[in-house]
Amino acid sequence: DIQMTQSPASLSASLGETVTIQCRASEDIYSGLAWYQQKPGKSPQLLIYGASSLQDGVPSRFSGSGSGTQYSLKISSMQTEDEGVYFCQQGLKYPYTFGAGTKLELK
Amino acid sequence: EVQLVESGGGLVQPGRSLKLSCAASGFTFSDYYMAWVRQAPTKGLEWVASISYDGGSTYYRDSVKGRFTISRDNAKSSLYLQMDSLRSEDTATYYCTTDRGGSGWYFDFWGPGTMVTVSS
Repeated sequence: DIQMTQSPASLSASLGETVTIQCRASEDIYSGLAWYQQKPGKSPQLLIYGASSLQDGVPSRFSGSGSGTQYSLKISSMQTEDEGVYFCQQGLKYPYTFGAGTKLELK
Repeated sequence: EVQLVESGGGLVQPGRSLKLSCAASGFTFSDYYMAWVRQAPTKGLEWVASISYDGGSTYYRDSVKGRFTISRDNAKSSLYLQMDSLRSEDTATYYCTTDRGGSGWYFDFWGPGTMVTVSS
């Protein structure tokens, strides 16, 4: 199975701050990488697919980048509503696997 | 508007069975692969199974292979997950999702989830 390692496990950011979350795959996943946001008590929501494509309706302050085994999610200006847990997921091979999550809080 | 609504969760004893359903609306159901993803309490996300457009191909994680069966009824725009020989480690919220391909496969729409608790 492809292992997905996310970092950091948690972080806090101030309003307007730039936030970056990293995700490393145990093998090349050829940009088959998605990012999700989950708020408490809610189901996850897709933010980014194909490593860098923004899902419809997602604010443009979210962006994704990377290739090979290294990927990142950037929030260009932290907002209150961005608090939550962020997961990466590889969609190259079965079984699809997720990172353990990064908890983002407002400082 | 895309809507996915799961049902059928509950408390079940180890070794027993449960069948989850997902009612889909707001999109052409037969145009999408579908999947079940689960999340144990306070844990991360885990893909469980996927099914092709017409149900002809199915895919499972190893830990549920032979115990769970994913199926669909395109005429009813419904997805199912038959869960047999349930174990305590199957305790989780189960989400019905659309399974979209392109540059990798991803889950673009999610239902609110249904909780399954396996306990004696």
